[in-house]
Amino acid sequence: QTVVTQEPSLSVSPGGTVTLTCGLNSGSVSPTYYPTWYQQAPGQAPRTLISSTNTRSSGVPDRFSGSILGNKAALTITGAQADDESDYYCVLYMGGGSWVFGGGTTLTVL
Amino acid sequence: QVKLVESGGGAVQPGRSLRLSCTASGFTFRSYAMHWVRQAPGKGLEWVALISDDGSNKHYADSVKGRFTISRDTSKSSLFLQMNSVRPEDTAVFYCARGASYGSGSHPDYWGQGTLVTVSS
Repeated sequence: QTVVTQEPSLSVSPGGTVTLTCGLNSGSVSPTYYPTWYQQAPGQAPRTLISSTNTRSSGVPDRFSGSILGNKAALTITGAQADDESDYYCVLYMGGGSWVFGGGTTLTVL
Repeated sequence: QVKLVESGGGAVQPGRSLRLSCTASGFTFRSYAMHWVRQAPGKGLEWVALISDDGSNKHYADSVKGRFTISRDTSKSSLFLQMNSVRPEDTAVFYCARGASYGSGSHPDYWGQGTLVTVSS
């Protein structure tokens, strides 16, 4: 069974940089998985931040960036702000029409 | 602007059926694949199902395969999820989401606000 892995929680200081990762329990994440990142504030619907590894969605600040780091997809927040405190999810395309979400990362800005 | 509005959620007993709807506006519905994604209370997101732009291809998570059916009505710009033989573990907020393009490899990009389904006796 395919499991997409994310750090359960991370913290960052205001103005600091943090990297969230999205991996696979077996194998490496590559652009062929179309890694996509979402931000979800409490009680809200998810918001798309980054798609296809590194394409920033319209209106998303450029402090959010996506990449492949080693064998994982990564979301980097540079110059973190208080309102970046949210849950972050990645999703990977497994082929054959199937998508799998990671378990999510709760980011604390303090 | 893109707008997705889900409806049809509510309380249902285990083993019964429920049909969710999603009404789309602000884009050419027939040109985009559509997803259902759910989120159990206090848990993460789980992809449920995908239907291609023309409805010819449908894909499901293993957890719902054989019980849920995704469909669409282009004339009504609507997406549906027929949920049969529901289980307590199906309790979740169900989100309708537009695919970024027409095919199965298009990620969910725009999301509705969700509808809550509660399965309990």
